Amino acid sequence: DIVMTQSPDSLAVSLGERATINCKSSQNLSYYANDKDSLAWYQQKPGQPPRLLISWASARQSGVPDRFSGSGSGADFSLTISSLQAEDVAIYYCQQFYGAPFTFGHGTRLEIK
Amino acid sequence: EVQLVQSGAEVKKPGESLKISCKAFGYKFTNYYIGWVRQMPGRGLEWLGAISPGGSHTRYSPSVRGQVTISLDDSITTAYLQWTSLRASDTATFYCARHASGNVSDAFDLWGQGTLVTVSS
Repeated sequence: DIVMTQSPDSLAVSLGERATINCKSSQNLSYYANDKDSLAWYQQKPGQPPRLLISWASARQSGVPDRFSGSGSGADFSLTISSLQAEDVAIYYCQQFYGAPFTFGHGTRLEIK
Repeated sequence: EVQLVQSGAEVKKPGESLKISCKAFGYKFTNYYIGWVRQMPGRGLEWLGAISPGGSHTRYSPSVRGQVTISLDDSITTAYLQWTSLRASDTATFYCARHASGNVSDAFDLWGQGTLVTVSS
């Protein structure tokens, strides 16, 4: 199985400041067919299902605020929130969809400082 | 509205069987893989498996292969996750989700609301 390692486990950031979450995979996630990386980011708030924010490492989903951005390639990826808002408090997960089982990172809890 | 609506919470005893459902609305059901994700209490997300459009092909995580069965009924745009003999360790919230393209190797772009399964004697 591909192991996804997120860091940090938790993060406290002041409102308006930048938050960055990292995700490292145990193997390269570059998909030969489209030369993109098979990596997604999700946001989960308490009592809610996850919400897809970013797919293919950097493609923001429709309706996701542009303060959210994904970057990285190969085996190292990041999710950045450029200016933290109160509604961004949540747990964030990365997931690889390169090869089954499609494993998730263990999650990063983001809080307001 | 495009959505996945799951069946309600269940409370079962160890050894009992269970089948939970996930009904799709608002999109062409036969164009997309449906997957299932487990979230144990206070824990992270775990991909359990997925089923192809039409149900001809299923894939399972090694962690649950042989313990659960994924199926679907195209005629009522519904996918299922079932157990023949539940264990206390099956207690979790289960989500169905749509793989974003006709290929199973894609992110989950649409999620059900989750079904809480509690297994306790």
